[in-house]
Amino acid sequence: DIQMTQSPSSLSASVGDRVTITCRASQYLTKYLNWYQQKPGKAPELLIYSASSLQSGVPSRFSGSGSGTDFTLTISSLQPEDFATYYCQQSYSLPSTFGQGTKLEIK
Amino acid sequence: EVQLVQSGAEVKKPGESLKISCQGSAYRFTKNWIGWVRQMPGKGLEWMGIINPGDSDTRYSPSFQGQVTISVDKSISTAYLQWRSLKASDTAMYYCTRRAEDITTWTIDYWGQGTLVTVSS
Repeated sequence: DIQMTQSPSSLSASVGDRVTITCRASQYLTKYLNWYQQKPGKAPELLIYSASSLQSGVPSRFSGSGSGTDFTLTISSLQPEDFATYYCQQSYSLPSTFGQGTKLEIK
Repeated sequence: EVQLVQSGAEVKKPGESLKISCQGSAYRFTKNWIGWVRQMPGKGLEWMGIINPGDSDTRYSPSFQGQVTISVDKSISTAYLQWRSLKASDTAMYYCTRRAEDITTWTIDYWGQGTLVTVSS
Protein backbone atom coordinates (compact mmCIF):
# COMPACT_ATOMS: atom_id res chain seq x y z
CA ASP A 1 0.00 0.00 0.00
CA ILE A 2 1.06 3.59 -0.60
CA GLN A 3 1.66 5.41 2.71
CA MET A 4 0.57 9.02 2.98
CA THR A 5 2.17 11.31 5.56
CA GLN A 6 0.67 14.72 6.34
CA SER A 7 2.28 17.50 8.27
CA PRO A 8 1.64 19.08 10.60
CA SER A 9 -0.87 16.90 12.48
CA SER A 10 -2.35 20.03 14.01
CA LEU A 11 -2.05 23.73 13.39
CA SER A 12 -3.24 26.85 15.18
CA ALA A 13 -3.86 29.92 13.05
CA SER A 14 -5.84 33.15 12.99
CA VAL A 15 -8.49 34.46 10.63
CA GLY A 16 -6.72 36.05 7.69
CA ASP A 17 -3.58 33.91 7.98
CA ARG A 18 -2.04 32.02 5.07
CA VAL A 19 -1.77 28.32 5.89
CA THR A 20 0.07 25.48 4.19
CA ILE A 21 -0.39 21.74 4.77
CA THR A 22 1.88 19.19 3.18
CA CYS A 23 1.39 15.58 2.15
CA ARG A 24 4.12 13.15 1.17
CA ALA A 25 3.56 9.81 -0.55
CA SER A 26 5.75 6.73 -0.20
CA GLN A 27 5.47 6.12 -3.94
CA TYR A 28 5.20 8.20 -7.08
CA LEU A 29 1.61 9.40 -7.71
CA THR A 30 2.01 11.60 -10.80
CA LYS A 31 -0.75 14.15 -10.10
CA TYR A 32 -3.29 11.82 -8.42
CA LEU A 33 -3.58 13.45 -5.02
CA ASN A 34 -6.78 14.89 -3.56
CA TRP A 35 -7.62 17.07 -0.56
CA TYR A 36 -10.76 16.80 1.57
CA GLN A 37 -12.17 18.98 4.35
CA GLN A 38 -14.10 17.48 7.25
CA LYS A 39 -16.01 19.53 9.80
CA PRO A 40 -17.08 18.01 13.13
CA GLY A 41 -20.02 15.65 12.79
CA LYS A 42 -20.05 15.94 9.00
CA ALA A 43 -18.89 13.84 6.06
CA PRO A 44 -15.72 14.95 4.29
CA GLU A 45 -15.99 17.11 1.18
CA LEU A 46 -13.71 17.21 -1.85
CA LEU A 47 -11.71 20.45 -2.14
CA ILE A 48 -8.93 19.77 -4.61
CA TYR A 49 -8.48 16.88 -7.06
CA SER A 50 -5.57 15.86 -9.25
CA ALA A 51 -3.22 17.91 -7.07
CA SER A 52 -4.31 21.36 -8.23
CA SER A 53 -7.84 21.33 -9.67
CA LEU A 54 -10.44 23.16 -7.60
CA GLN A 55 -13.69 21.25 -7.11
CA SER A 56 -16.77 23.13 -8.27
CA GLY A 57 -18.13 25.43 -5.59
CA VAL A 58 -14.94 25.54 -3.52
CA PRO A 59 -13.68 29.08 -2.73
CA SER A 60 -10.63 30.23 -4.67
CA ARG A 61 -8.67 30.85 -1.45
CA PHE A 62 -7.99 27.10 -1.52
CA SER A 63 -5.24 25.91 -3.84
CA GLY A 64 -3.15 22.80 -4.32
CA SER A 65 0.22 22.13 -5.86
CA GLY A 66 2.80 19.42 -6.28
CA SER A 67 3.42 16.27 -8.24
CA GLY A 68 5.21 12.97 -7.83
CA THR A 69 5.49 12.43 -4.09
CA ASP A 70 5.21 15.90 -2.51
CA PHE A 71 2.02 17.95 -2.42
CA THR A 72 0.73 21.08 -0.72
CA LEU A 73 -2.65 22.51 0.21
CA THR A 74 -2.68 26.27 0.75
CA ILE A 75 -5.43 28.45 2.18
CA SER A 76 -4.56 32.00 1.24
CA SER A 77 -6.61 33.87 3.86
CA LEU A 78 -8.27 31.80 6.55
CA GLN A 79 -11.96 32.33 7.12
CA PRO A 80 -13.88 31.22 10.23
CA GLU A 81 -15.56 28.41 8.32
CA ASP A 82 -12.16 26.91 7.32
CA PHE A 83 -11.38 25.60 10.78
CA ALA A 84 -11.72 21.88 10.23
CA THR A 85 -9.65 18.74 9.63
CA TYR A 86 -7.99 18.26 6.25
CA TYR A 87 -7.05 14.93 4.67
CA CYS A 88 -5.01 14.09 1.61
CA GLN A 89 -5.85 10.97 -0.39
CA GLN A 90 -3.87 9.20 -3.08
CA SER A 91 -6.16 8.18 -5.95
CA TYR A 92 -3.38 6.72 -8.10
CA SER A 93 -3.81 3.07 -7.21
CA LEU A 94 -5.82 0.68 -5.08
CA PRO A 95 -6.06 0.38 -2.20
CA SER A 96 -6.52 4.10 -2.00
CA THR A 97 -5.06 5.59 1.17
CA PHE A 98 -5.50 8.75 3.23
CA GLY A 99 -3.10 10.84 5.23
CA GLN A 100 -3.64 10.91 8.98
CA GLY A 101 -5.26 14.33 8.87
CA THR A 102 -4.36 17.89 9.86
CA LYS A 103 -6.59 19.60 12.42
CA LEU A 104 -6.72 23.33 11.83
CA GLU A 105 -7.70 25.20 14.98
CA ILE A 106 -8.33 28.83 15.84
CA LYS A 107 -5.46 30.57 17.61
CA GLU B 1 -28.49 16.86 -7.12
CA VAL B 2 -26.44 13.70 -6.62
CA GLN B 3 -27.13 12.09 -3.25
CA LEU B 4 -25.94 9.04 -1.37
CA VAL B 5 -28.37 8.27 1.43
CA GLN B 6 -27.25 5.77 4.05
CA SER B 7 -29.27 3.66 6.45
CA GLY B 8 -29.61 4.70 10.08
CA ALA B 9 -27.44 4.15 13.13
CA GLU B 10 -27.10 0.63 14.48
CA VAL B 11 -26.37 -0.77 17.94
CA LYS B 12 -25.30 -4.39 17.94
CA LYS B 13 -23.72 -6.99 20.22
CA PRO B 14 -20.41 -8.73 19.50
CA GLY B 15 -20.93 -11.74 17.27
CA GLU B 16 -24.06 -10.38 15.60
CA SER B 17 -24.33 -9.81 11.87
CA LEU B 18 -25.12 -6.50 10.17
CA LYS B 19 -25.77 -5.08 6.71
CA ILE B 20 -25.88 -1.33 6.14
CA SER B 21 -26.98 0.34 2.94
CA CYS B 22 -26.32 3.30 0.67
CA GLN B 23 -28.78 4.40 -1.99
CA GLY B 24 -27.68 6.64 -4.84
CA SER B 25 -29.96 9.09 -6.60
CA ALA B 26 -29.96 11.76 -9.32
CA TYR B 27 -27.37 10.00 -11.46
CA ARG B 28 -27.00 6.74 -13.38
CA PHE B 29 -26.07 4.38 -10.57
CA THR B 30 -24.17 1.89 -12.72
CA LYS B 31 -21.85 4.58 -14.09
CA ASN B 32 -19.83 5.22 -10.90
CA TRP B 33 -18.09 2.84 -8.51
CA ILE B 34 -19.32 2.96 -4.89
CA GLY B 35 -16.85 2.66 -2.04
CA TRP B 36 -16.81 2.53 1.76
CA VAL B 37 -14.63 4.47 4.21
CA ARG B 38 -14.31 3.81 7.95
CA GLN B 39 -13.73 6.46 10.60
CA MET B 40 -13.20 5.13 14.10
CA PRO B 41 -14.07 7.48 16.99
CA GLY B 42 -11.72 10.45 17.02
CA LYS B 43 -9.57 8.97 14.26
CA GLY B 44 -8.83 9.45 10.55
CA LEU B 45 -10.27 8.05 7.36
CA GLU B 46 -9.61 4.47 6.22
CA TRP B 47 -10.43 3.26 2.71
CA MET B 48 -12.13 -0.13 2.93
CA GLY B 49 -13.12 -1.19 -0.55
CA ILE B 50 -15.09 -0.40 -3.68
CA ILE B 51 -17.58 -2.03 -6.05
CA ASN B 52 -18.59 -1.42 -9.65
CA PRO B 53 -22.41 -1.48 -9.63
CA GLY B 54 -22.41 -2.37 -13.31
CA ASP B 55 -20.72 -5.74 -13.00
CA SER B 56 -20.15 -6.17 -9.23
CA ASP B 57 -16.34 -6.13 -9.66
CA THR B 58 -15.15 -5.56 -6.07
CA ARG B 59 -11.77 -4.53 -4.68
CA TYR B 60 -10.85 -4.57 -0.99
CA SER B 61 -8.11 -3.02 1.06
CA PRO B 62 -5.96 -5.85 2.47
CA SER B 63 -6.83 -4.50 5.94
CA PHE B 64 -10.50 -5.26 5.38
CA GLN B 65 -10.38 -8.27 3.02
CA GLY B 66 -12.26 -11.15 4.65
CA GLN B 67 -13.62 -8.90 7.42
CA VAL B 68 -16.48 -7.32 5.46
CA THR B 69 -18.44 -7.92 2.27
CA ILE B 70 -19.40 -5.21 -0.20
CA SER B 71 -22.33 -5.90 -2.51
CA VAL B 72 -24.81 -4.07 -4.68
CA ASP B 73 -28.38 -4.31 -5.96
CA LYS B 74 -28.39 -2.15 -9.06
CA SER B 75 -32.14 -2.60 -9.53
CA ILE B 76 -32.69 -0.34 -6.53
CA SER B 77 -29.48 1.73 -6.85
CA THR B 78 -28.22 0.50 -3.49
CA ALA B 79 -24.84 -0.67 -2.23
CA TYR B 80 -24.25 -2.60 0.97
CA LEU B 81 -21.55 -3.20 3.57
CA GLN B 82 -21.94 -6.39 5.56
CA TRP B 83 -20.39 -8.07 8.59
CA ARG B 84 -20.95 -11.75 9.54
CA SER B 85 -19.69 -11.42 13.10
CA LEU B 86 -19.19 -7.97 14.59
CA LYS B 87 -16.45 -7.09 17.07
CA ALA B 88 -16.23 -4.17 19.47
CA SER B 89 -13.42 -2.82 17.28
CA ASP B 90 -15.92 -2.41 14.40
CA THR B 91 -17.46 0.51 16.29
CA ALA B 92 -17.10 3.43 13.88
CA MET B 93 -18.77 5.78 11.45
CA TYR B 94 -18.98 4.26 7.97
CA TYR B 95 -19.30 6.46 4.90
CA CYS B 96 -20.30 5.35 1.44
CA THR B 97 -18.62 7.22 -1.35
CA ARG B 98 -18.91 7.69 -5.10
CA ARG B 99 -15.95 7.44 -7.43
CA ALA B 100 -15.65 10.48 -9.67
CA GLU B 101 -16.40 10.00 -13.36
CA ASP B 102 -12.78 10.42 -14.44
CA ILE B 103 -11.88 6.75 -14.66
CA THR B 104 -8.15 7.44 -14.63
CA THR B 105 -8.33 8.10 -10.91
CA TRP B 106 -9.99 6.82 -7.73
CA THR B 107 -11.12 10.26 -6.56
CA ILE B 108 -14.20 10.45 -4.33
CA ASP B 109 -16.58 13.20 -5.45
CA TYR B 110 -19.61 12.48 -3.23
CA TRP B 111 -20.02 11.11 0.28
CA GLY B 112 -23.02 9.71 2.12
CA GLN B 113 -24.02 11.21 5.46
CA GLY B 114 -22.48 8.28 7.36
CA THR B 115 -23.86 5.35 9.36
CA LEU B 116 -22.74 5.04 12.97
CA VAL B 117 -22.24 1.42 14.02
CA THR B 118 -21.84 0.74 17.74
CA VAL B 119 -20.87 -2.74 18.89
CA SER B 120 -21.13 -3.28 22.62
CA SER B 121 -22.11 -6.04 24.97
